[in-house]
Order: sequence, then structure tokens, then C-alpha cells
Amino acid sequence: TQLLEQSPQFLSIQEGENLTVYCNSSSVFSSLQWYRQEPGEGPVLLVTVVTGGEVKKLKRLTFQFGDARKDSSLHITAAQPGDTGLYLCAESRDNYGQNFVFGPGTRLSVLP
Amino acid sequence: DADVTQTPRNRITKTGKRIMLECSQTKGHDRMYWYRQDPGLGLRLIYYSFDVKDINKGEISDGYSVSRQAQAKFSLSLESAIPNQTALYFCATRHSSGANVLTFGAGSRLTVL
Repeated sequence: TQLLEQSPQFLSIQEGENLTVYCNSSSVFSSLQWYRQEPGEGPVLLVTVVTGGEVKKLKRLTFQFGDARKDSSLHITAAQPGDTGLYLCAESRDNYGQNFVFGPGTRLSVLP
Repeated sequence: DADVTQTPRNRITKTGKRIMLECSQTKGHDRMYWYRQDPGLGLRLIYYSFDVKDINKGEISDGYSVSRQAQAKFSLSLESAIPNQTALYFCATRHSSGANVLTFGAGSRLTVL
């Protein structure tokens, strides 16, 4: 069974700092998604990456997909308290009819 | 109103009780899912349904059952709740021919004493 690993598990930083979180797999991803979950809410999609080496930017967030499509990173520049939440990576799989498998998440806390 | 609505948002119950968590959606999506979230384990799939007549087990279906009453409604039942079913439960939807994106409800927090 392919597992998704995320690191770090927890991250607490000061407002204005930069950070990077990671998602890794033992196998090749078909496609990878990043979701953010805020307290008391369900996860919300941030981005989907499909092509090895792909880089996507969403304001202060930069997403990279590894060349071999076995890893991905999310970099946040000048973090703000509003970035606080649980960041989940997820892969869409075909063994359950294109259902999704989620990593355990990185819990980010940005202190003012 | 939210696109995906879950009720109740919070529930405390006792071991052995029957519990039903309900999910309704206004997005017109055909596919609906129930996930369970535990700290450090991410979201794990319990059951999923591709349409009203199609119900499938996910990776952790033991102890749970579901009913797809209509395209917009998908309920999750715990016939005899046990403490290790204490968790945050999420309903999600997507359209089979649309973008490959899940839309989640706000979650139902269940505590089994």
C-alpha cells in the first residue's frame, strides 16, 4: 500500500518567517493535491500538480512537484497568522475508482 | 448556506448507542464520500457512493454502514458505537465529470464514552 508521508508534523513560527513543508511517497504519484484545513472546517483545495517538475504559485504559496513525481513541497513566504492550519497532501487513486488518499498533514501555527 | 452540510456538528454518546451522521449537498455532485480524521493519521475513507444505487466500502468500513437516500443525501451510521470510533467525520462530494476536487463539509465531531 502506498503511503503518503508529510513533514514536519508540527511547525510553529513567527509572523514574517518563511517555511517549507514536504509530502513524500514510496511510489510515483499520478497527481497530487494540497489542501488546507482551518480549525472547525473541512479541507479546502489549494492546488493540483500533475507534471513532474511543475511549479505553481498562489500568492505567497509556492508548490513544487518533484521531477520523479514522488515528492512535493509547499513553501510559504512571509507567513501570516491567517496561514495557520493543517496542510494536507492527497493523491487521487484508481484502485478505489479515482478516490483520494491523504497524508497525515503538517499542522502550522503562525504567531503574531 | 454551505454547499455540503453535515449534522450534527458535535455529538457525545455512550458505548453501544446507535448514531447517525447526516450529509446533504447542493452542488449536484454524483459522488459522495465519508472520511474519518484522527490526529496524525490524516483522512481515511470509510465508504463512498458514485450514485444512489452504488455503495462501496473504503479502507475502514468495519463498524459503519451508509445509506444514499437521494443524490443529495448520504448518511453514515454507527450501529453500536465504541470508544475508538471517537473522531472527526467528514463528508465530501465531487462530480464524476468535473474537476478532480473534493468539496468537504465542516465535519461532525463524535465522542463515544
